[in-house]
Amino acid sequence: DTGVSQNPRHKITKRGQNVTFRCDPISEHNRLYWYRQTLGQGPEFLTYFQNEAQLEKSRLLSDRFSAERPKGSFSTLEIQRTEQGDSAMYLCASSLTSGGPTDTQYFGPGTRLTVL
Amino acid sequence: GQQVMQIPQYQHVQEGEDFTTYCNSSTTLSNIQWYKQRPGGHPVFLIQLVKSGEVKKQKRLTFQFGEAKKNSSLHITATQTTDVGTYFCAGSSYGKLTFGQGTILTVHP
Repeated sequence: DTGVSQNPRHKITKRGQNVTFRCDPISEHNRLYWYRQTLGQGPEFLTYFQNEAQLEKSRLLSDRFSAERPKGSFSTLEIQRTEQGDSAMYLCASSLTSGGPTDTQYFGPGTRLTVL
Repeated sequence: GQQVMQIPQYQHVQEGEDFTTYCNSSTTLSNIQWYKQRPGGHPVFLIQLVKSGEVKKQKRLTFQFGEAKKNSSLHITATQTTDVGTYFCAGSSYGKLTFGQGTILTVHP
């Protein structure tokens, strides 16, 4: 399978614990995005990378959230001191772009986080 | 910031009826993308529109991009039960996507 993959698919944690998710984009895709989706809503942008550089972060991304893409390939999203409000589906997407107006994003299956 | 509004929120149709969902952006978009998400699934890319006034067809699906590049629509002709799911539009401004709330389509056989 050459699509976007995410691990784990499900994560249940207790409030206050740290969690880390991994995303493997489609190979050769230079951009990688993180989104968060809650029930009944569309995905909300969190942050994105072009190669290893983090180019934009949403105001939704509090200082408890950190994302990395150290070698420009896979990415990790860490949430420290989780809160119940962090419960959501965390989606990763990747695209191949040269900076023009087209930037088709392909989504992974997501990691569903439940904070008890 | 950019806002994308999508209507209706829900649409129930009988199999064979047509379906349309509309998308409006508060700002001019560089392109608009449409996704379908099945219950329990993740957004699956359907199509991207880039040019002002562009119309694209995929079998029974017709996508339009407004002249001002601020609105778009998706029309499904003669719905089938396999069309059920949530349809999202997402506006792009040279990077991140801003999604609408989605339209949940239910098709009754």
